[in-house]
This record gives sequence, structure tokens and C-alpha cells, in this order.
Amino acid sequence: DAGVIQSPRHEVTEMGQEVTLRCKPISGHDYLFWYRQTMMRGLELLIYFNNNVPIDDSGMPEDRFSAKMPNASFSTLKIQPSEPRDSAVYFCASSKAGGYSGELFFGEGSRLTVL
Amino acid sequence: SQQGEEDPQALSIQEGENATMNCSYKTSINNLQWYRQNSGRGLVHLILIRSNEREKHSGRLRVTLDTSKKSSSLLITASRAADTASYFCATPRAGTALIFGKGTTLSVSS
Repeated sequence: DAGVIQSPRHEVTEMGQEVTLRCKPISGHDYLFWYRQTMMRGLELLIYFNNNVPIDDSGMPEDRFSAKMPNASFSTLKIQPSEPRDSAVYFCASSKAGGYSGELFFGEGSRLTVL
Repeated sequence: SQQGEEDPQALSIQEGENATMNCSYKTSINNLQWYRQNSGRGLVHLILIRSNEREKHSGRLRVTLDTSKKSSSLLITASRAADTASYFCATPRAGTALIFGKGTTLSVSS
């Protein structure tokens, strides 16, 4: 299995531009999570899906952030417009059973720099 | 908000020594998990301990859980340079998402 695949690995953009991060979860996993990691705040849960349905988006910072999961093999996290404070590493993770009873499998992350 | 908090924030040891990291959490849990993150990489699951377990082993890893004190520890025995990484504890929030602490950065020098 290829594991969780994220793209792009690195993105540098200017303030105000739209950013789209992509994630392909492990086949057969019903849960998909988006996390953001910064030095100051550590790993923050942004949103998670179960069977393609958003369950908890309370961690999404503001309306500039949106996430979709149109099918079981693809999810996007969009930031529009982007701001310098959005600079972080964004991780996607998938799981068969969710954290309540099992482990999460993480992608390698997308490092976003907003100038 | 963080559910788990690791201690210490940073730890430097020599190869062959043991490394102990601690994690404290705030609310009742049904399991606690430990993850490792190498620099520039994603997190990798190490071990899961359930609330009815007190100790669990996996290779050179030993995890303990004390639900009365809401704390856990991760012991890495006979550390190697390859163990250099950040280590995170994680607990399930209401629902099924994992909430992570800020991690302990372990540096093992040869």
C-alpha cells in the first residue's frame, strides 16, 4: 500500500492567493483527518470526515478555510485568500476506525509558506 | 486545545542510555497513543495502550498508563542515534479525533 499521499509537498505563495492542498487516503479507511502543525501551536486538528461526510470542523480557523471530500479516495483543503499566518505544515491522516479505537496513518505533509 | 502535554520538551542523551518521556492529559480516555515524527516527515504510530491496561511493550518501547493520575510514560531502552525524533502522545477527544500534545524532542548522540 502506498500510504497516505499528499500534494504538493511544498508550496510558496503570496498573500491573497488561493491555496489547494490534496490528500489521497489509504484505500479502505473510513476516516480522514486534516491537521496543521506550527512551532507555536503544535498539531491542531482542523476537520475530520467519516465516510466522506464532515463530522467536526470546529478546528477550522475561519471562513477562509474549507475542506471537501467528494469521494472515498480524495480530499482537498482550500485556503482563500491565504495570509502569512497560515504558513504551517498541513497533514492529512486516515484511519480504519478513528482514534477512538485505532491508529492514524499520516501523510508526509504539505509545507505552506505564505509571503 | 491540547489534551496531552509531554514532559520534558527536549531531551538529550547518549547512545545506549534509556530515554523516558511523560505525558499528562486532562479528561477520561479509553486509550492513549504514542507517535514519532522524524524531522520533515509525517507522524508514525508507535503504540496504543487502552485504559484498562497498565503497561505495554513493543520491542525497545515500554509504555505505562496511570488513569488515576491521568499520565503516561514512554520508555525507550538502549537508545540509538536513529531514535532521534520528536515523540507525541495523543488521546481521543469526544468523538474519534486524536488530540496531540506538543511533543518531546529527543536527541541521541553517538
